[in-house]
Amino acid sequence: DSGVTQTPKHLITATGQRVTLRCSPRSGDLSVYWYQQSLDQGLQFLIQYYNGEERAKGNILERFSAQQFPDLHSELNLSSLELGDSALYFCASSSPRGARDTQYFGPGTRLTVL
Amino acid sequence: AQKVTQAQTEISVVEKEDVTLDCVYETRDTTYYLFWYKQPPSGELVFLIRRNSFDEQNEISGRYSWNFQKSTSSFNFTITASQVVDSAVYFCALSEAQTGANNLFFGTGTRLTVIP
Repeated sequence: DSGVTQTPKHLITATGQRVTLRCSPRSGDLSVYWYQQSLDQGLQFLIQYYNGEERAKGNILERFSAQQFPDLHSELNLSSLELGDSALYFCASSSPRGARDTQYFGPGTRLTVL
Repeated sequence: AQKVTQAQTEISVVEKEDVTLDCVYETRDTTYYLFWYKQPPSGELVFLIRRNSFDEQNEISGRYSWNFQKSTSSFNFTITASQVVDSAVYFCALSEAQTGANNLFFGTGTRLTVIP
């Protein structure tokens, strides 16, 4: 158990819908990262937040957005969902110690868009 | 541009055999960090090791060992006396210092199957 929690574990929805994925980082970790794992794209970095502020952006679609709240939990919002958005979405967190902290991953949320 | 290559898509070994998973990386950064993660059938990503670019010392942890060679831009992972529980997809990843971000660039993974 990495200490990172993600809810829900599974999510099934229809095209055009909007969903919210939730992540709680390990105790004391200020950074939260979101990654997408799909069969065709592999594991891709989406976005990073550090202590409530956006720190870095990767291959995140405009239909996707995220935020980190004062209690440090984070939410990833996916809207106007398409079949191709079906994937495993991971959240990871890291501690503020050091320049390149190790990222610990949550169990993931499996999103299925029908 | 950064890149991580895991040329071995799938490997099958018989239990108790040794197996080496290859990882080759590309980066223009002089300071970078390399990682290995394990993804068992249950799906979670489990951190195994982190190595800094300025530390080429090899590491051993139980049946696991890692060989980092900057001269060949490789960071290979060896499992000694493999067990069925080692069956998983293994990912090599790279993080660069100069980008200012801390995100990981992952290879495509190597699926290891250990046959009892």
